[in-house]
Order: sequence, then C-alpha cells, then structure tokens
Amino acid sequence: GIQVEQSPPDLILQEGANSTLRCNFSDSVNNLQWFHQNPWGQLINLFYIPSGTKQNGRLSATTVATERYSLLYISSSQTTDSGVYFCAVEGYSTLTFGKGTMLLVSP
Amino acid sequence: NAGVTQTPKFQVLKTGQSMTLQCAQDMNHEYMSWYRQDPGMGLRLIHYSVGAGITDQGEVPNGYNVSRSTTEDFPLRLLSAAPSQTSVYFCASSYSQTGGTEAFFGQGTRLTVV
Repeated sequence: GIQVEQSPPDLILQEGANSTLRCNFSDSVNNLQWFHQNPWGQLINLFYIPSGTKQNGRLSATTVATERYSLLYISSSQTTDSGVYFCAVEGYSTLTFGKGTMLLVSP
Repeated sequence: NAGVTQTPKFQVLKTGQSMTLQCAQDMNHEYMSWYRQDPGMGLRLIHYSVGAGITDQGEVPNGYNVSRSTTEDFPLRLLSAAPSQTSVYFCASSYSQTGGTEAFFGQGTRLTVV
C-alpha cells in the first residue's frame, strides 16, 4: 500500500514564529488532505489539495504530485495552532494517514 | 447541518462484550469509512463503504463488522471486545471532488475495553 511519511514528528514554536511541515508519499494519489487534530481530539479539515497551492488565512499548502510531496506552511503561529497535523492521501475513496506532526506553540 | 455524528462519545466495555458504534451523516455522501487511532500510529482504516449495500475491508478489519443499509448510516459492530480494541474510533463520510474525494470526520468515540 501507499506509504505516507511526515516530518518533523514534533515541533515546538514560540508564538509568532513560522513553520513548514512536510508530507512525502510513495505512489501516485488521487487526492491529498491536511487535517488539524485539536487538543480535544477533533479532526478539522484544513486543505483538500491534490496539486498546486492553496491559502487560507495564515495557513497555506502546496502539493507537488509529480515529486510526491506536500508542504503545509503556518505563519505567525498562535497558541490555538497547537495540536497534531496529519496529511492523508487517497487511493480509492479511502485515506492513508501519516503519523502526524505534533505542534506545540508556546506564548 | 450536523455533518457526521458519532455515538456514543465514550464507552467502557468488559472483555467479551459486544456493542455497536453508531455513525450517521446528513450530507448525502456516497462514501463512508471507519478508522481507529492509536498513540503514535496515525489513523488506520477498518472498513469502508462506497454506497448502500456495499462494504469492504480496510487495513485492520479483524474483530469488526459493518453494514450499510442506507446512505446515511454506517454502524461498526464489535463482536467480542478485546483489550487490543481500546482506541479512539472515527467515522468519516466523503464525496467526489475533482480528481478524488474529500473526507469529513465525526468527533470520535473513545472506547476502553477492560
């Protein structure tokens, strides 16, 4: 099956700093999604991004499908950005998840 | 619009008991799936459905059954609970977008088997 690797596994930032999270995948995929799991465990959709670049406020994502990676950029981080960030790739209507990047933003 | 609703939110079972985790979606999505989340493992696919009456196994199906009699509902049954099934369970529904499908998740069910 498809392998999904995320880096770094853990990240600690001070409020206001910028960060880049990476997702590598092993095969061609139909789709890639980024999720944020907040401290209460809820999975929140961030981006549906099979290719190209999208931006939503302080967050943006880029997927280069031909090179099998995606990047999630967080600018001017806030404490509410803390949690685990997952990328997930779609093979056939189901998702394969990476193990996530745990982000802690301190005041 | 409720989205994907899972019940219960928390459950404690004794080894050997059976139970059903409920999942309902009101978005008329054709695809539904169940995942489990264990520490350090990300989410892993248990079972999925591409439409009413059609189900298939995912990566970790042993010990679980599913059925899909309606578009809206996709219950997950634990036949004889084991401590290894202690986990957080997420249900998702998906719809077709350009090139693929986009998934939306319920709030999860935290299950403890003692």
